[in-house]
Amino acid sequence: ILMTQSPATLSVFPGERATLSCRASHSLGSNLAWYQQTPGQAPRLLIYAASTRATGIPARFSGSGSGTEFILTISNLQSEDFVVYYCQQYDKWPLSFGGGTKVEIK
Amino acid sequence: DVQLLESGGGLLQPGGSLRLSCVASGFTFNTYAMSWVRQAPGKGLDWVSTISGSGGYNTYYADSVKGRFTISRDDSENTLYLQVSRLRAEDTAIYYCAKGGGSGFDFWGQGALVSVSS
Repeated sequence: ILMTQSPATLSVFPGERATLSCRASHSLGSNLAWYQQTPGQAPRLLIYAASTRATGIPARFSGSGSGTEFILTISNLQSEDFVVYYCQQYDKWPLSFGGGTKVEIK
Repeated sequence: DVQLLESGGGLLQPGGSLRLSCVASGFTFNTYAMSWVRQAPGKGLDWVSTISGSGGYNTYYADSVKGRFTISRDDSENTLYLQVSRLRAEDTAIYYCAKGGGSGFDFWGQGALVSVSS
């Protein structure tokens, strides 16, 4: 399953909202996760089952969507949020990731 | 706390082999699927392989590594392995051990660097 994230880079002012898109080539139901990766560090799970926040993830991160269209929304962007985000499908083998969206300070 | 500690990375020539290890702690290792995910320098995440837990030991591989890489686990030692062989330059990456596989990866190790160069 091909996962396509857009945009590749998103410029946002601190304190504003970022909306990241992930599209799947086949329907996933809700079998989608989102990850955050800070440079030099391992990825961190943010969202699973399309909309369930992982343990310890702040409420400003929210996921929505099902089927082939998914959205990660980050509200009130903080300085530590300006990093890279990946979506990943786990509906069918082989598992696959999107190419990532880099959120940068505007 | 969950901890995943990878080891075994290094610099190898094309065609070489090595074994990556990941020692897990802080959770009931044998009940969880475990996976390897890699990241080439400056690139995105690339799923490599998953092995199921609870004694099932079903294995799954990316097409790019099938027949060259072998995932395994030793539940008595809480350790996950990835045997990599017939290495290619495009296998150069940080290899992450990750807890889970069929429902997302909820914990990740810090990674082991594998460099393939002549």
